Amino acid sequence: KAGVTQTPRYLIKTRGQQVTLSCSPISGHRSVSWYQQTPGQGLQFLFEYFSETQRNKGNFPGRFSGRQFSNSRSEMNVSTLELGDSALYLCASSLVTGRPSTDTQYFGPGTRLTVL
Amino acid sequence: GESVGLHLPTLSVQEGDNSIINCAYSNSASDYFIWYKQESGKGPQFIIDIRSNMDKRQGQRVTVLLNKTVKHLSLQIAATQPGDSAVYFCAENSGNQGGKLIFGQGTELSVKP
Repeated sequence: KAGVTQTPRYLIKTRGQQVTLSCSPISGHRSVSWYQQTPGQGLQFLFEYFSETQRNKGNFPGRFSGRQFSNSRSEMNVSTLELGDSALYLCASSLVTGRPSTDTQYFGPGTRLTVL
Repeated sequence: GESVGLHLPTLSVQEGDNSIINCAYSNSASDYFIWYKQESGKGPQFIIDIRSNMDKRQGQRVTVLLNKTVKHLSLQIAATQPGDSAVYFCAENSGNQGGKLIFGQGTELSVKP
C-alpha cells in the first residue's frame, strides 16, 4: 500500500505570497492532519480534516487554512507568507475507527517551505 | 505552544547497547501515546503506541513503558543498531481533542559503531 504523499517536496516563496500544499492520504484513510515542524517550536498541530470538515484546529493564525476533498485528499493554504512560516509542513493520515484519539497517524515526507 | 517535554535532548550509545529515551507528558487525560522516529529528510515514522489502559507494550526490539502516576513515558530499544540513529518523538493524544497529537521536543539518538 502506498504511503502518504505530499507535493511539492520543496518550495521557495517570498514574503507576502501565498502557497498551497497538497496531501494524498493512505488508501482508505479518511482523516488528514497537518503539522508544522520548525527547529524552535518542534512539531505543532495545525488542523485535522475528516469527511471534508475541519474536526480540530491548532493555535495558528487565520492565514493558515485547509480543506479536504471527497476522495480524502487535502490541501493547506498559507496566505501572506511571513519569514517565520519557513518550516517543514507534514501531513498525516489515519483510519477512522470511531475513537479518533487512538487512531494511529502515519506521516508523509513533508513539504519544505522556505520564505525569503 | 503545547508540548510534551523530554528529559534528554541527545543520547549517544554504543552499537549493541540498549537505549532508553524518556518523555514527560502534560495531560493526565491523554489516553493514547505514540513514539515516532524521524530520520533526516523524512517524515516521522510510527514505531510503537500504547493506550492508557496498559503500562507496557513490546514490539520488535522496542518496548514502551507508561507510568500514569508520574505522567512518564519511555522507549527502550534493545541491541541498538546504527540504523536506529534518528530523532525520536513521543506524542500524546487526549480523548477530547480528536486527532490532535501533542509532540515532545525530540531526542536525538546517535549510535556509535
